[in-house]
Amino acid sequence: EAGVTQSPTHLIKTRGQQATLRCSPISGHTSVYWYQQALGLGLQFLLWYDEGEERNRGNFPPRFSGRQFPNYSSELNVNALELEDSALYLCASSFGTSGRGQYFGPGTRLTVT
Amino acid sequence: KQEVTQIPAALSVPEGENLVLNCSFTDSAIYNLQWFRQDPGKGLTSLLLIQSSQREQTSGRLNASLDKSSGRSTLYIAASQPGDSATYLCAVTNTGNQFYFGTGTSLTVIP
Repeated sequence: EAGVTQSPTHLIKTRGQQATLRCSPISGHTSVYWYQQALGLGLQFLLWYDEGEERNRGNFPPRFSGRQFPNYSSELNVNALELEDSALYLCASSFGTSGRGQYFGPGTRLTVT
Repeated sequence: KQEVTQIPAALSVPEGENLVLNCSFTDSAIYNLQWFRQDPGKGLTSLLLIQSSQREQTSGRLNASLDKSSGRSTLYIAASQPGDSATYLCAVTNTGNQFYFGTGTSLTVIP
């Protein structure tokens, strides 16, 4: 069974640009979660999508947004990039809200210069 | 609001030693608890998932226990190996499918 995949692996942008990160969940999983992990900090919850709808978002500004497609894959968009947006962005998927746990992708390393 | 704490923050042990990592949470109304491993700069690997009705789960040299009433979980690693060196994270899920992560324990196993 293929795991969660994320692309790109690395992304380098300059301040003020936009970044788009992509995630494909495990087959059969309908929920996708996005997290930010800045250097030396813990995982910060960003967004949760389930069945194409945004179910919850963390304490992040509106320039962090995303969407979930009919095939349950997801995009995270970060507009007007700031230096402090440099981080590892992790995507996880789960089988809806069944409580069967989350399973993570390898992450996208975003560097803003 | 749920708060998850992991103690110790860092641990260094000689190879072959058995060790215990601790995770505590403030709200016992959880749906499940999951232990993860994270290698530097990498994603999280799920190790064990314990449902709220369960007391423990085992996988190879790993054993995780859950005491929901006291808000505690432990991850026991038997016969540690240098390859076990990583950061170990616990996460709890509440009934609203909100996940709360601890800050992790950084483990170093010295050959």
